Order: sequence, then C-alpha cells, then structure tokens
Amino acid sequence: ETGVTQTPRHLVMGMTNKKSLKCEQHLGHNAMYWYKQSAKKPLELMFVYSLEERVENNSVPSRFSPECPNSSHLFLHLHTLQPEDSALYLCASSQDIGGTDTQYFGPGTRLTVL
Amino acid sequence: GIQVEQSPPDLILQEGANSTLRCNFSDSVNNLQWFHQNPWGQLINLFYIPSGTKQNGRLSATTVATERYSLLYISSSQTTDSGVYFCAVEYPARQLTFGSGTQLTVLP
Repeated sequence: ETGVTQTPRHLVMGMTNKKSLKCEQHLGHNAMYWYKQSAKKPLELMFVYSLEERVENNSVPSRFSPECPNSSHLFLHLHTLQPEDSALYLCASSQDIGGTDTQYFGPGTRLTVL
Repeated sequence: GIQVEQSPPDLILQEGANSTLRCNFSDSVNNLQWFHQNPWGQLINLFYIPSGTKQNGRLSATTVATERYSLLYISSSQTTDSGVYFCAVEYPARQLTFGSGTQLTVLP
C-alpha cells in the first residue's frame, strides 16, 4: 500500500448507528487531517493531528469523535448522526502542520445517513 | 474569516482547448495550493505556489500575492483533465481554507 488509504469507501448508516471511518498513511508524515466535503460547498477542515496530538478542532459537533492512536492511523468515530452529515469525508496527511507542506489526500469515504 | 472565490464555477471545453481558472482571496496569505479532484473524488495536489509562476507539463500556475489572486492555466486540455479544481490558502495559520472550486468538463 502506498499513499493515503481510507476504509470503507462507501457507508450507509441510520441515525442511531455507531460506525468508524479509518485512515492510514504510508508516507511517514507527522500530520493528519479530517475534512468534510458536502455537495456544492468547499472542503471544511474538521480535525488536525500532529504527532498524535489534536491541534485544531474547528467547532465540530460532538457526534464526530476523532482518534489518532499513532502517526500512521486516524479514525473518525460516528454516532447519532443527522441526515445533513451525509457527505464525502476525506483524510489527508502532510509531513508537518502548515500551509507550506503538501497535503496528500485519501480517496474518501462517501457517507449517507438515512 | 478569509474569502476564497474561484471563477468560473463551471467550464466546458472541447478537447485541445486552453483555459484559465482564477482564484481570488480577500486577505494576505503566506501560502497557496492548487488541487485537482477527479470524478471519483480523489484530490491531487498540483502546485504549491505562494508567489511567482510554476509549470508542470500542460499545467502552469501564477500567483500575484500583492494583488491577492492566482491563475491556473490548462493548455491542450484532455478528457482526463475533467474534474473540480480547487485553490486553497493557508488561513488561519497552519490550516488550509478551500475555495468552492471550478467544475471542468472536457468533451472528446
């Protein structure tokens, strides 16, 4: 495996379900990110981790819970989501935090909340 | 917060045509990147270009930081160029703020 991988690629869940999204990077990077991409809207940064510590949390509802057990893995735990949370969730990594470092994106998880 | 506006929002081209995409931003930024998102959702970084001009094959980009805009040029477009092109600026510090994108469709 190379680059940034995400699983699952597609997920359909009910509002009462609990699920997790997984991201793994094989680039030796120190920073990892979760973004939300809704239809017709710009990408929204949700969480930023640097060396497994959360650096930024952009006022994301508590029904989204990130976890970064090591610098290669990032999870997004989902519970009691709303239909408006349906979106493409993208994971990215970069060597370090900062706009100077190129961010490498995974293929995304297409989430549908019924 | 900063406003990042891209134009045009949609663009349809015939294969072989050239195009220019624009990104305007409302405040001074240290860094700017261009991305391409293919029809399957994969985002690929094209350029890191806080100022000046860079070229990579048929693509080139120019950023005039003092005037708060950046341009992405696509020459001799191909159907594989289709997708959404995003610019993103570093604002606030250490974070990227994305524009709404330009949806490009290249017809065979």
